Formats: sequence, C-alpha cells, structure tokens
Amino acid sequence: QSVLTQTPSASGTPGQRVTISCSGSYSNVGSYTVSWYQQLPGTAPKLLIYTNNQRPSGVSDRFSGSKSGTSASLAISGLQPEDEADYYCAAWDDSLNGVLFGGGTKLTVL
Amino acid sequence: QVHLVESGGGLVTPGGSLRLSCAASGFTFSDYYMSWIRQAPGKGLEWISYISSSGSYTNYADSVKGRFTTSRDNAKNSLYLQMDSLRAEDTAVYYCARDRTGGYCNGDCSSGFWGQGTLVRVSS
Repeated sequence: QSVLTQTPSASGTPGQRVTISCSGSYSNVGSYTVSWYQQLPGTAPKLLIYTNNQRPSGVSDRFSGSKSGTSASLAISGLQPEDEADYYCAAWDDSLNGVLFGGGTKLTVL
Repeated sequence: QVHLVESGGGLVTPGGSLRLSCAASGFTFSDYYMSWIRQAPGKGLEWISYISSSGSYTNYADSVKGRFTTSRDNAKNSLYLQMDSLRAEDTAVYYCARDRTGGYCNGDCSSGFWGQGTLVRVSS
C-alpha cells in the first residue's frame, strides 16, 4: 500500500523559515504533481500549492513548493502566528487510482 | 464564488446507511470532477471517491469499495454519497471537493474548493 510520509510535527518562531517534507514513491510523487493543503483548526482544508510549486490566487507568496524525484517540500518564510495549522501533501497514486494524502504535519508557531 | 455545502451527516448504528449530499453553486457543476474526502477525528485526510463530470465514471478507495456509492445530478448541481454497511471506522467528517480544473486531471490533480464538511458518527 502506497504512503506519503510527512514528519508529524514542525515548529518555528515568528519570522523564521520552516520547511515541511513529503516523501513518496515512483507510483505517486515520482510520477505526478504534488499539491499542498493548509487546514486551520476547526476548518476545512484549503489548497495552498498545486502542480508542485504553483500558488492559487490569494495565497501568500510566503508559501512555496518544490519537488525532486520522489520527494516534495513546502517552505513557509516569514513565519506568522496565523500559519499555525496542519499541512498535508497529496499526489495521484497509481495503486490507489486516486489521490493519496500524506499523514499531515502539525506546525506550531512558538 | 464557488460554494459547496454538505448535508446529511448524523449518528447511525453499525450496519446502517446514510446518504450525504453536497450542493454546489458559483460554477458550472457539470464541467468538474468531484471528490469525497474524509477525516476521522484527530486523524489525517483520506480520499475515498471521485466521480467524473458526466457521472459516468467513479472510483473508490478500497476502504469503502462495495459499500459506498457516489453519484451526481448535474441538473440539480448536487453530489451524493450513499453509504451502506457502515462501520465504526467510517466515523469522520466528510468533505466534498471540486477539482481545481475542469475535465480529467490526468495526474495533475488537486482539490481547489472544499465544503465545510458534515460529521458522520457510527456507533451503537
């Protein structure tokens, strides 16, 4: 069974740059694009990054995405208290024949 | 603006059934693939189903295959999830989501818009 692996937690202080990683395999990240979602406490997820590194309209340019091989990363620069949320990566998966989500990373702003 | 509103959640006993609905507005519903994604309490996101824009094609995660059925009524701008033989592990918030772009995503897949979710609790 395919998995996208994310570190469960990350933290940073205001103004810092934080990176969240997502590790997959050839059947998902290695072959398809990665998207990232932000879920603020008690709310629905929101698309943050699509097609590896594209931001939807309205998303701050403090958020950036990248992909290399079977891994992807989300970087948040100039960390702000309102960035405290859960972050999920996702990619199409051949085995699932659907979208596979990572386990999520809980970001704490200290 | 795009608006998705789920309804139909609630408490159901194991083995029971429930039908969720998702009312869509603010876009041409018949142009977009739609998905159902769920989140168990305190857990991560799990994709469970998608349906093509015409409704002619559906696919399901193994965890729900054979028990859940996704359908849509493009005339009513509505998406449905029929859930049968419910189990305790199906307890979750269920979200409907619209693909970012119209048509088949062809590996460049992302959900651009989400509803607020509806809670399904399976318990005796």
